[in-house]
Amino acid sequence: DADVTQTPRNRITKTGKRIMLECSQTKGHDRMYWYRQDPGLGLRLIYYSFDVKDINKGEISDGYSVSRQAQAKFSLSLESAIPNQTALYFCATSDPGPRETQYFGPGTRLLVL
Amino acid sequence: QKEVEQNSGPLSVPEGAIASLNCTYSDRGSQSFFWYRQYSGKSPELIMFIYSNGDKEDGRFTAQLNKASQYVSLLIRDSQPSDSATYLCAVSPAGTALIFGKGTTLSVSS
Repeated sequence: DADVTQTPRNRITKTGKRIMLECSQTKGHDRMYWYRQDPGLGLRLIYYSFDVKDINKGEISDGYSVSRQAQAKFSLSLESAIPNQTALYFCATSDPGPRETQYFGPGTRLLVL
Repeated sequence: QKEVEQNSGPLSVPEGAIASLNCTYSDRGSQSFFWYRQYSGKSPELIMFIYSNGDKEDGRFTAQLNKASQYVSLLIRDSQPSDSATYLCAVSPAGTALIFGKGTTLSVSS
């Protein structure tokens, strides 16, 4: 089984709808992240959480919210989806340290019509 | 604003050649440096990390770090068509999340 899973893998929704993307991990890592990726723009950080009680905004948090339900679960919500939120979304996890490595989930492809 | 800069490419090399990918970063407090490979439509996967000045070799890959120049590079020797992908440089500033560059697309022709 994959260490970092994301659900759904693909989602089509309409403008104005609320949707939630979920991420679960079995790596036992404290740190979790949400990124979006758009062609030519690389990976941009939306939110990150260094432990269950810690939530931090990233580079592009407007229009998004997150919930860290447990060490293993980190959800991303789009309160009112808009077309420019169409993108590939990745969840990642890591443990702190000088060799800190991020492990990525398979991604969720979101289309907002 | 902390930044990581990469040439977007595409970088095109023939099979068997050396591919050289470069990255510069703005935060002098950065501690660790990573190279991720991402195939089209797939998630990034770590291929190298380095945290000391100098070279680090792993198989056909060599990462080079120069903190004084704020410069990181990745050399791929004996490039193969399977190396064709986007390579993401990532930098770890103290106490915060990784910062990724936009990536360099490498194309290896057979």
